[in-house]
Amino acid sequence: ETGVTQSPTHLIKTRGQQVTLRCSSQSGHNTVSWYQQALGQGPQFIFQYYREEENGRGNFPPRFSGLQFPNYSSELNVNALELDDSALYLCASSASGPPNTEAFFGQGTRLTVV
Amino acid sequence: GDSVTQMEGPVTLSEEAFLTINCTYTATGYPSLFWYVQYPGEGLQLLLKATKADDKGSNKGFEATYRKETTSFHLEKGSVQVSDSAVYFCAGKFNDYKLSFGAGTTVTVRA
Repeated sequence: ETGVTQSPTHLIKTRGQQVTLRCSSQSGHNTVSWYQQALGQGPQFIFQYYREEENGRGNFPPRFSGLQFPNYSSELNVNALELDDSALYLCASSASGPPNTEAFFGQGTRLTVV
Repeated sequence: GDSVTQMEGPVTLSEEAFLTINCTYTATGYPSLFWYVQYPGEGLQLLLKATKADDKGSNKGFEATYRKETTSFHLEKGSVQVSDSAVYFCAGKFNDYKLSFGAGTTVTVRA
């Protein structure tokens, strides 16, 4: 069974640009969550997708948007990039179920905005 | 609101020393609690979890007990190794969809 994979691993963008990050969920998982981890901080929840619908959202502006596809892979899109968007972006997949269901994380995408 | 608070580091220890990282939660209900570990340049790995009061999670010599009376989930290991050097995150799942993380504790184990 393959784990959670994210691409790209690193990228550099200029302020004002747009970026798309991708995540392939673990086999059998239908739920994908995205987190932003700023340097030296804990991950912050951005949103979650379940069966192609947004299922919950954290305190992030609308320029952070996402998609989930029929194969349960997901994209995170960020428009009008700001310097403070520089962070490690983590994707986590899980199977639907009770709150104690384990979430499996990918290696992350390191985004640098200059 | 619902949240977790963990002891901030950094923590520096010698090999075979005892490690404790404190974590407390604030919640209106009873969350599921987790400890994740992040090695340099990597994503998060689940270390252990507990889903109800008095549950003890354990893995790789690490243990944590869900204490409702003190709203705590402290991480402990009796004898650390250099390979345990990492950042440790306490997290709670207070509803169905998101994990709320502490700020992380950087642990460095010296040989």
